[in-house]
Amino acid sequence: GAGVSQSPSNKVTEKGKDVELRCDPISGHTALYWYRQSLGQGLEFLIYFQGNSAPDKSGLPSDRFSAERTGGSVSTLTIQRTQQEDSAVYLCASSLASSSRGEQFFGPGTRLTVL
Amino acid sequence: GENVEQHPSTLSVQEGDSAVIKCTYSDSASNYFPWYKQELGKRPQLIIDIRSNVGEKKDQRIAVTLNKTAKHFSLHITETQPEDSAVYFCAALSGAGSYQLTFGKGTKLSVIP
Repeated sequence: GAGVSQSPSNKVTEKGKDVELRCDPISGHTALYWYRQSLGQGLEFLIYFQGNSAPDKSGLPSDRFSAERTGGSVSTLTIQRTQQEDSAVYLCASSLASSSRGEQFFGPGTRLTVL
Repeated sequence: GENVEQHPSTLSVQEGDSAVIKCTYSDSASNYFPWYKQELGKRPQLIIDIRSNVGEKKDQRIAVTLNKTAKHFSLHITETQPEDSAVYFCAALSGAGSYQLTFGKGTKLSVIP
């Protein structure tokens, strides 16, 4: 079946503009995660959804970042008034609602460049 | 919360030699420890994982060991090949119904032909 998909694959924007990043999880996966990966760095957790609710928003760097998920499927990560330090690859992952395993399947990422 | 430390940050080995990457974690309730491989420009992919009720798991040239008492786990790659060159990430899943993986900062492995 289809894996996790993300769009766009690349996004170049000007400082101060808003951007929206989209994630389509694997069908049937109720858990969805957003991570940020800066050049040469590890994966920084941003937010986690279980269904449409986000019980853990602790990783969002600032109030310029928000995310939503509708219909228990597609999720959108929005960054308002982008800054140069927001430049990174934003990865989405999904998993089955099973804490006993927790395997996460990653999308290809969106490379965001803020000029 | 959970904290995962990973060492070394870079590792170079000759083709055919073994490579070992080590991670420590802080939350004794963590119960699931996956390893992800990320090739340049690609997405992270799960290569092996281990649960807290197992001490060792092997899959062909890859093995993972877990020491719950010391709270550390390691990835072992034997007979390394050039295609093993990538960044490897360890992670820990906290217990108590948590879904959040905490990742180490990664190890860049280079296998020299």
